[in-house]
Amino acid sequence: GAVVSQHPSRVICKSGTSVKIECRSLDFQATTMFWYRQFPKKSLMLMATSNEGSKATYEQGVEKDKFLINHASLTLSTLTVTSAHPEDSSFYICSARAGLGAGELFFGEGSRLTVL
Amino acid sequence: DAKTTQPNSMESNEEEPVHLPCNHSTISGTDYIHWYRQLPSQGPEYVIHGLTSNVNNRMASLAIAEDRKSSTLILHRATLRDAAVYYCILRGGNKLVFGAGTILRVKS
Repeated sequence: GAVVSQHPSRVICKSGTSVKIECRSLDFQATTMFWYRQFPKKSLMLMATSNEGSKATYEQGVEKDKFLINHASLTLSTLTVTSAHPEDSSFYICSARAGLGAGELFFGEGSRLTVL
Repeated sequence: DAKTTQPNSMESNEEEPVHLPCNHSTISGTDYIHWYRQLPSQGPEYVIHGLTSNVNNRMASLAIAEDRKSSTLILHRATLRDAAVYYCILRGGNKLVFGAGTILRVKS
């Protein structure tokens, strides 16, 4: 099946710094990618829809200036957590779909962010 | 997005079939029923999806009620590796919105 890869898988940073997480579709082109965050023992929460070549669409309550999303190519979307604080510590997961339609989404392995 | 309701948790014995139910009484005609599962500290994994007819693949079967207001994911022989959180999701548009899911525990 199609593969989506995230990097880094784990990152620890100091409060106030910015962290970039990459999401790549390795063997297919993805015009649309999705970013989720997940707190311990909770479900995934959709943060935003990333569209190649245009601005991301953010879900209600998600600060677009805090979570910068760039989808510069058909195989790469990045999420930058700006001026990170301890409450931003979470498991961030991206997903992508190949083509159109209601078929399956492919998920990355997730990136665990810890802000000290 | 239409809502789904799943039991919080279920338990199964190894090598036995597992039936995971999902209610989606507000499903619309264009909503597909998707199932994903998530192992600890991993991203979700696609299991199966369907619209109206029952579906089978190498991982599982999906039984969809005639009125489409409920569905059941069937794992034919549970193994310890099937222990995960199983999410039933309705997908009508572009995105997947996750509910709480069912924690499946498999006993050896």
